[in-house]
Amino acid sequence: NAGVTQTPKFRILKIGQSMTLQCTQDMNHNYMYWYRQDPGMGLKLIYYSVGAGITDKGEVPNGYNVSRSTTEDFPLRLELAAPSQTSVYFCASMASGAGNEQFFGPGTRLTVL
Amino acid sequence: GEDVEQSLFLSVREGDSSVINCTYTDSSSTYLYWYKQEPGAGLQLLTYIFSNMDMKQDQRLTVLLNKKDKHLSLRIADTQTGDSAIYFCAETPGGSSASKIIFGSGTRLSIRP
Repeated sequence: NAGVTQTPKFRILKIGQSMTLQCTQDMNHNYMYWYRQDPGMGLKLIYYSVGAGITDKGEVPNGYNVSRSTTEDFPLRLELAAPSQTSVYFCASMASGAGNEQFFGPGTRLTVL
Repeated sequence: GEDVEQSLFLSVREGDSSVINCTYTDSSSTYLYWYKQEPGAGLQLLTYIFSNMDMKQDQRLTVLLNKKDKHLSLRIADTQTGDSAIYFCAETPGGSSASKIIFGSGTRLSIRP
């Protein structure tokens, strides 16, 4: 049971480039989330999904897109990278229903220059 | 709206107790959580409390909930160097937002010898 895995661990992008951050979970969780964590700050929710085919915006969705074609995968797409998107990105998953634990991936550290 | 507030820093002497405080705004919160983030890692659930409880104890951890004041605290007894981390308070909002968890900004706990 690998839990939540994210790739890549680190990435440097130039302004205007695009990339996809991958996230996979093997716990059969319906709920999945993308957060960003800026230095010294808490987590801000970018997008989330309550099941395959369903996605919804969080607090800070601008500049990002997501898809959820399977239960396991929840990729995050940056289309035109900007320096303001320099951050650490965490993917998380959770079983359906309140009171359950969110399991986090190890994070992707992204720098946009 | 949903908001979770924490102080940013706490410094304690090794062997003393640490008390990390949190306030939240959503009176219909169902579950409240404490997560721990060690350097370079994702968040891990430490403990949680259901909103109809006042206290929960788990080994060195004691969670106190004052629902009237919307105040949550985490006490770590006999603080050790391994407790150095960022601690996040979080809540599950009531109603239709139950699939989300709202995180505070985190309290960085540092341990003095």
